[in-house]
Amino acid sequence: KNEVEQSPQNLTAQEGEFITINCSYSVGISALHWLQQHPGGGIVSLFMLSSGKKKHGRLIATINIQEKHSSLHITASHPRDSAVYICSLETSGSRLTFGEGTQLTVNP
Amino acid sequence: GAVVSQHPSWVICKSGTSVKIECRSLDFQATTMFWYRQFPKQSLMLMATSNEGSKATYEQGVEKDKFLINHASLTLSTLTVTSAHPEDSSFYICSAPSSGSLSYEQYFGPGTRLTVT
Repeated sequence: KNEVEQSPQNLTAQEGEFITINCSYSVGISALHWLQQHPGGGIVSLFMLSSGKKKHGRLIATINIQEKHSSLHITASHPRDSAVYICSLETSGSRLTFGEGTQLTVNP
Repeated sequence: GAVVSQHPSWVICKSGTSVKIECRSLDFQATTMFWYRQFPKQSLMLMATSNEGSKATYEQGVEKDKFLINHASLTLSTLTVTSAHPEDSSFYICSAPSSGSLSYEQYFGPGTRLTVT
């Protein structure tokens, strides 16, 4: 079993829909990161969480440390949100372990 | 925000040659940098942790003599793929936490796409 699992693997939505991507993990972590990877390959760090909830624009990330679960929400989705979203676990020494990613496609 | 650059952004080389990829932190010092590899349709895999002024730490299964890492300054780490083979063709990405402490934000380079012919 992988240390970190994301669902769904693929997600297609219509513009304006509310989107949720889930991440479950099985190890102790110092933080959890949500990353966005665009088709060209570049990676942007969206959130770093160790507890609670963070919001940035239309993006919201939550984490429940006891349940070892995190969610990434996108409100009022837009085609430009189309990307791969990756949940990654930070363990010792800032090392990251990555989920398989969720391919999000938002259609106009 | 902090910026990490990589050079080159893409490279094509012949089998048997060596290729050097640079990773620079442009506006912060990085005592630690990480090198990842990503094959098509797969997630990133950590290859090694680059430590300024000391030897890199390689993940299990990564050949340290094939993937040479040098972190000679607080803003530059290099990854050299030696005697490259077609199976080394991949997308190589580096990242650096904004400080050497735990739980600091990670900044990723734009990646280097290597094709070995």
